[in-house]
Amino acid sequence: SQTIHQWPATLVQPVGSPLSLECTVEGTSNPNLYWYRQAAGRGLQLLFYSVGIGQISSEVPQNLSASRPQDRQFILSSKKLLLSDSGFYLCAWSVTEQYFGPGTRLTVT
Amino acid sequence: SQQGEEDPQALSIQEGENATMNCSYKTSINNLQWYRQNSGRGLVHLILIRSNEREKHSGRLRVTLDTSKKSSSLLITASRAADTASYFCATGVAAGNKLTFGGGTRVLVKP
Repeated sequence: SQTIHQWPATLVQPVGSPLSLECTVEGTSNPNLYWYRQAAGRGLQLLFYSVGIGQISSEVPQNLSASRPQDRQFILSSKKLLLSDSGFYLCAWSVTEQYFGPGTRLTVT
Repeated sequence: SQQGEEDPQALSIQEGENATMNCSYKTSINNLQWYRQNSGRGLVHLILIRSNEREKHSGRLRVTLDTSKKSSSLLITASRAADTASYFCATGVAAGNKLTFGGGTRVLVKP
């Protein structure tokens, strides 16, 4: 069966510090991968998606970047965090419906 | 930008009652999906309905889709306290299987 891992679960980082969130998927090959951000009490905003290794599509201009170095690994990064980067970050994989990881709650202080 | 808009934003019902929430969207879709999110957790896929389908059932869930009105509804029958969660609709397009999520309906089922 397929599983999706996301870490860390929570993260507190100062403004200006770098960020690296990792997501890995097991039990499937060549999945579509997604990074979302969710503000408190709101819906999900798609940040990036990837249909294959090294293929990244950015949905909104922002302070973040994404990379897919391996088929089942998706990384969300920032060189310098802003206060507005705080939120709940969710990784997902899909064939048709999407399957979500447990999320990372990021607080930028 | 959000494609789907859920209505109502919040819903409070007694255990055993039915809960109905609606979703409206603006552009053509390939499919529409409903997800549940418990507080502070990831989303769980509930049901997918394709654009050529009108109704779908899964256990106590019933989803309808009216593409002429660009709307969908999710009905939870005989609700339980464990159904307390936020429910999101998401519209899917073929390219990249991207989903666009609505703002969600927060459902509280009181025991």
